Amino acid sequence: DSGVTQTPKHLITATGQRVTLRCSPRSGDLSVYWYQQSLDQGLQFLIQYYNGEERAKGNILERFSAQQFPDLHSELNLSSLELGDSALYFCASSVKDYGYTFGSGTRLTVV
Amino acid sequence: AQSVTQLGSHVSVSEGALVLLRCNYSSSVPPYLFWYVQYPNQGLQLLLKYTTGATLVKGINGFEAEFKKSETSFHLTKPSAHMSDAAEYFCAVRSPSGSARQLTFGSGTQLTVLP
Repeated sequence: DSGVTQTPKHLITATGQRVTLRCSPRSGDLSVYWYQQSLDQGLQFLIQYYNGEERAKGNILERFSAQQFPDLHSELNLSSLELGDSALYFCASSVKDYGYTFGSGTRLTVV
Repeated sequence: AQSVTQLGSHVSVSEGALVLLRCNYSSSVPPYLFWYVQYPNQGLQLLLKYTTGATLVKGINGFEAEFKKSETSFHLTKPSAHMSDAAEYFCAVRSPSGSARQLTFGSGTQLTVLP
């Protein structure tokens, strides 16, 4: 157990739907990073939050959004889902930005 | 902007043989460098990292990597491969300063260990 908890582990949904992925960082870690892993794109950085505020944005689609709550857990919202959004979504947390710990991921399948 | 190139998307070695996974980076300043391993259906586990100081970094499971600034490389090695080393390995880079603290990953190298 890495200490970073992601739920759900698996998610199957239909095109056009909206889903929410949840991440609880390691105790004490203020930063949360979201990554998407797919066969064609590899590991792509989506977005980072630090202590509730957005700090950096990567290749995140406008249909996707995220937030970090006061208890430091984070949610990634994916809407108007397309087949191409099927991927493994990882959350990572860090305390000093060079000790990144990854969760086990959420596997999203869009059918 | 930083980038990472991992040479060889698939590497096969015999059990007991040397493991060498190659990683070259592109960065305007010496970056922080990382190696992660991913086993099937699992998340990424940190093997080792280089931030500052000694350029030869030792990690878990007998792996080590050497930061070579002149070659912009951070190759991962292990003297003797074990069957349990079969996994996908990712090299990653991060700027040592500034607001961009996210990791940029290479495309990964799938390591197969043959009996």
